[in-house]
Amino acid sequence: AQRVTQPEKLLSVFKGAPVELKCNYSYSGSPELFWYVQYSRQRLQLLLRHISRESIKGFTADLNKGETSFHLKKPFAQEEDSAMYYCALSRGGYNKLIFGAGTRLAVHP
Amino acid sequence: DAGVIQSPRHEVTEMGQEVTLRCKPISGHNSLFWYRQTMMRGLELLIYFNNNVPIDDSGMPEDRFSAKMPNASFSTLKIQPSEPRDSAVYFCASSGTARATGELFFGEGSRLTVL
Repeated sequence: AQRVTQPEKLLSVFKGAPVELKCNYSYSGSPELFWYVQYSRQRLQLLLRHISRESIKGFTADLNKGETSFHLKKPFAQEEDSAMYYCALSRGGYNKLIFGAGTRLAVHP
Repeated sequence: DAGVIQSPRHEVTEMGQEVTLRCKPISGHNSLFWYRQTMMRGLELLIYFNNNVPIDDSGMPEDRFSAKMPNASFSTLKIQPSEPRDSAVYFCASSGTARATGELFFGEGSRLTVL
């Protein structure tokens, strides 16, 4: 069965510190992985997708098939990064996404 | 474009009452998704439609839940009868690309409280 696990409900760091939001998945095929973000009082929105290999707002994520992980990283956290982050998996077709439980990132000044 | 529009934004009802949540997807999008968000379980996919046809409703918790999409611009999620454990935020999302890109456009959600 497909599953996305985000082991941390809350991650609290200080401004300028490195950030790593963990995501592990279980899927027997070739997954497509995504990170979504929900800022306070805003809609849930796509942050980045693994196939694009892009850096958005300083965040990157590398798909590690051996470890079945897709951790989200940023070298220097900013206060405006404080938000709820969801890792999601798609097996393709119709954009059906399976989400993890989410991790709240709190960046303190 | 105003994006995905959901109503009501907040609903408080008593156990046993019928609840209807509404969604208007982005014009031109042909896939529509209903998700439920709770603290314990995060975002759960309930059902999704493609070209107004339900494709997968395996996430619908019980027969008390039903969803319809009578046309390309409107969908409803109905709970009858409602129970306190149904209290959650219900999100509608739509996507419009023929090729799966993983980008869903979410509404602001409907926060349901069942007393």
